[in-house]
Amino acid sequence: DGGITQSPKYLFRKEGQNVTLSCEQNLNHDAMYWYRQDPGQGLRLIYYSQIVNDFQKGDIAEGYSVSREKKESFPLTVTSAQKNPTAFYLCASRRDSAHYGYTFGSGTRLTVV
Amino acid sequence: DAKTTQPPSMDCAEGRAANLPCNHSTISGNEYVYWYRQIHSQGPQYIIHGLKNNETNEMASLIITEDRKSSTLILPHATLRDTAVYYCIVRVNFGNEKLTFGTGTRLTIIP
Repeated sequence: DGGITQSPKYLFRKEGQNVTLSCEQNLNHDAMYWYRQDPGQGLRLIYYSQIVNDFQKGDIAEGYSVSREKKESFPLTVTSAQKNPTAFYLCASRRDSAHYGYTFGSGTRLTVV
Repeated sequence: DAKTTQPPSMDCAEGRAANLPCNHSTISGNEYVYWYRQIHSQGPQYIIHGLKNNETNEMASLIITEDRKSSTLILPHATLRDTAVYYCIVRVNFGNEKLTFGTGTRLTIIP
């Protein structure tokens, strides 16, 4: 079955460490996205990529970095520069067409201690 | 993207139709109405979208008013598994890639 896989589901890291969250899709979707969700809040866009080797900053890109070396993969690195990294991180993809919605992964819950 | 307004919470009895309203009075002519839902600690799930005609799929129906300033998502026979936060989003389908989620409506299905 096609879908988006995020791993790991839960991640614990010490303050000051960089951490990379994985996102892989086998839907052949062109665009991929990273969102952050805090308790009781909506989703906020971190980064997005419309094609391989290209990506744009979203609303809250500071302290994060991404790469898009393959169509299937869009990893997110949470760096030590991110002031409050503890959150629920969601990856999504979308087929490049007006008539399709977004497909989301099941998320990674990052806790920094 | 146009701003949307949804009630923060709603209850619905199991087996009844759940009607979730959304106001989008500043919607532009080329903006679509999308609905997603998020079950606790999972990623949002696409439900349905439309431009100006009413739409129906296996999950729900979407009723958009003639002036497009509001819409209603209808879950015809709500089950306990429909308990979730429902997000109404309006956006164009080209150019601006941002999908802006508000805080949505927390729907609780009561046995």
